[in-house]
Order: sequence, then structure tokens, then C-alpha cells
Amino acid sequence: DADVTQTPRNRITKTGKRIMLECSQTKGHDRMYWYRQDPGLGLRLIYYSFDVKDINKGEISDGYSVSRQAQAKFSLSLESAIPNQTALYFCATSGQGRNYGYTFGSGTRLTVV
Amino acid sequence: GDSVTQMEGPVTLSEEAFLTINCTYTATGYPSLFWYVQYPGEGLQLLLKATKADDKGSNKGFEATYRKETTSFHLEKGSVQVSDSAVYFCALSPASGGSYIPTFGRGTSLIVHP
Repeated sequence: DADVTQTPRNRITKTGKRIMLECSQTKGHDRMYWYRQDPGLGLRLIYYSFDVKDINKGEISDGYSVSRQAQAKFSLSLESAIPNQTALYFCATSGQGRNYGYTFGSGTRLTVV
Repeated sequence: GDSVTQMEGPVTLSEEAFLTINCTYTATGYPSLFWYVQYPGEGLQLLLKATKADDKGSNKGFEATYRKETTSFHLEKGSVQVSDSAVYFCALSPASGGSYIPTFGRGTSLIVHP
């Protein structure tokens, strides 16, 4: 099994619909993150969580919400999807400290029509 | 704030050519530096890292040296293969602040032809 599992892998949804992207990890890390990837823009941080009771906004949190259900689970919701939220979404986890790299999931390709 | 600048892509090479992807950074103190690779249809994978000045990170034939004097962490490989075709991201994790949230470059696409 993958260290970080994201579901679904692909999703097409309509404007105005609520959608949830799920992420689970088996690394045993406390820190989890949600990123968005757009062509030419690299990765942008949406939300991050350093433990179950800790949720923090990233640089582009508007229009998104998150839930940390357990140490291993971190879900991202789009309450009312809009077309410019069409992107590739990645979940990641890391240990604490600056020398830890990230472990990423395989991504969810979301299309809002 | 912190920033990472990578060379624009795509970089197009023939198999067995020498690869350099430039990365420079702006940060306070001595951040940790990383290279990630993203193969088509996959998430990013940590390729190598260096955590202090003059350290050399290496993995799968790739190398990068932490150069504090030039604030650079250029990725090199002596002989690329078609299977190295991917997008490469340079990143830094700040030296202080507690959160250690990394800053990523925009990525450089590498295309290797047979």
C-alpha cells in the first residue's frame, strides 16, 4: 500500500456542487498538508495541520475547508465548486523539523464544469 | 520572504547527455534544500536533500551541492536516460520559525529523447 493514499484519483463535478477529497497516510506523521498544482504556477499550499487539533490556512484557502479526522486522515472540501478550482490536488505528510522531506500522494485531478 | 527560482523549461536532451537544472534561493540563515521529481501522472517524490552548507545530496545518479556562497543547489546527472523525463522541483525548508513549511520552485520539465 502507498504511504499516502488519495481518493478519488479523478473527479468531474458541476459548478456549485460540494465535493470532498480524502487523504490517509501510514507514515505515522503528525503533519499533513493539502496543495494545489496548476500548470506554470507550481505548488500552492491550501491548508496544513500539525496535529489533530491544529488546522492552519495556507496561501490560497478561500473556497476550501478541511477536516482532520484522525492522525492519519485529512480531508479537503470544496463547499461550492467553481471552474477555477479545476486543478491537480496533492496531499502530503512530513515529520517535524526542517530536515524532513515530504511524502506526497498520487494526486486527485479535479475538473469543475 | 523565502523564495526559490528554477530555470525555465522544458529542458530537452538526448539520451546519455549531461544534465544541469539550475536552482537558486533566497532565505535567512541556513535552510535545508531539496529536489523532488514528479513523473507523469504521479505525485512528487523526494529525490535528494542537503541540510547544511557544502553538503552533497545524491540519489539515482543525480547530485546537488549546497552552495551557501552562491545560494544555489543545482541538480546534475552525468548521463540521462529516457526514464528521467519528468518535472523536477527545487524546494527549501527554512532554518527557523517552527513551522518549517517548505517553499517550492515552479518546476522544470525535462524531456529526454532516445
